[in-house]
Amino acid sequence: NAGVTQTPKFRVLKTGQSMTLLCAQDMNHEYMYWYRQDPGMGLRLIHYSVGEGTTAKGEVPDGYNVSRLKKQNFLLGLESAAPSQTSVYFCASSWTGGTQPQHFGDGTRLSIL
Amino acid sequence: DQQVKQNSPSLSVQEGRISILNCDYTNSMFDYFLWYKKYPAEGPTFLISISSIKDKNEDGRFTVFLNKSAKHLSLHIVPSQPGDSAVYFCAASASGRDDKIIFGKGTRLHILP
Repeated sequence: NAGVTQTPKFRVLKTGQSMTLLCAQDMNHEYMYWYRQDPGMGLRLIHYSVGEGTTAKGEVPDGYNVSRLKKQNFLLGLESAAPSQTSVYFCASSWTGGTQPQHFGDGTRLSIL
Repeated sequence: DQQVKQNSPSLSVQEGRISILNCDYTNSMFDYFLWYKKYPAEGPTFLISISSIKDKNEDGRFTVFLNKSAKHLSLHIVPSQPGDSAVYFCAASASGRDDKIIFGKGTRLHILP
């Protein structure tokens, strides 16, 4: 049982390049989330989705776009990467929001040079 | 404006003793609280939660206490074990009003032999 799988695990980009981070969950969860974790900043919500075809902005959405075309997948896109987007990105999923514990992937470490 | 505060970045505790991790919140609409544990190079994993209708919830060696009047919660680990060395995140949500969980910055717990 894979749970939440994030692809890739590591990536180095040059400033201005674009890329897409993929999150896949096999638990049939409705809700999916993208967070970034920076030193001393905890987990900050970028975007989230409450179901297939829906997306919503979180705390730090600027510079990112998301899509949830299939229930099991949640994609995070960086159109023009900037050094400030160097971070560890975590995807999570849950049955519903609020009181339901979120299940996290193991993260994608992204460096922007 | 930090809505969930973990004011101790790190904490060292002797193996076998009690570990107490603290968390404060500012948003009076929060009514559900969660603790997550994170090992290096892994995603956070759910540990224990508590609803605002309770003041205590226990699960094995882990107990969470909630003081609503003080807007304060704490996680007690008794007895502390080497495998408890990790980063602990406090999180809160306003269930029924919001789909998001707000995380604190985390406290790194070191269990000393």
